[in-house]
Amino acid sequence: QSALTQPASVSGSPGQSITISCTGTSSDVGGYNYVSWYQHHPGKAPKLMIYEVSNRPSGVSNRFSGSKTGNTASLTISGLQAEDEADYYCSSYTSSSTHVFGTGTKVTVL
Amino acid sequence: QVQLVQSGSELKKPGASVKVSCKASGYTFSSCGMNWVRQAPGQGLEWMGWINTNTGNPTYAQGFTGRFVFSLDTSVSTAYLQISSLKAEDTAVYYCARQAAAPGEFDFWGQGTLVTVSS
Repeated sequence: QSALTQPASVSGSPGQSITISCTGTSSDVGGYNYVSWYQHHPGKAPKLMIYEVSNRPSGVSNRFSGSKTGNTASLTISGLQAEDEADYYCSSYTSSSTHVFGTGTKVTVL
Repeated sequence: QVQLVQSGSELKKPGASVKVSCKASGYTFSSCGMNWVRQAPGQGLEWMGWINTNTGNPTYAQGFTGRFVFSLDTSVSTAYLQISSLKAEDTAVYYCARQAAAPGEFDFWGQGTLVTVSS
């Protein structure tokens, strides 16, 4: 199972919106509404930000939103803040009843 | 509150074995599966597999069969990851992550355990 494809880096100024893409296949992203997104600050545990494509866990800011079209899922961060600077990973359930993570995207707040 | 507390860092020689623990608290252990995720130095997250905490049945991702074993001790709400015949490329941070209701919904994570394999 190959990793899902994400851009290596995305940057934006405070207050702006950015979008991170996550491209898979019809056997993972495109086949199931089980795409999740995780925020990972180095040295800390990853944090679930979005599950089932667009659902936010309790306590996660509504500045984070998720969507999916075909084989590509997206995470949008609006009103970018300094604390959003981190690595972000998507993940998807697969037709093999396994899970696969994306390659990861480093978000930089300029 | 839900917590997953992992065992401390390990330094091992090539060929040795290591067992990482993940102690759960704050919820009914058997109600949520437990996943294992690896992050090698400078690399991304990699899903290793999961164990059904109700049945004890493990599922391993490609690339994590043979030397990797998931196990449980339900009496102490603890999941284990054992790696045998360690290689330098096993050097990584290993995380346990609780599986919530939806597939891929890893809602709580352990703090990570650094395993270093070096002669």
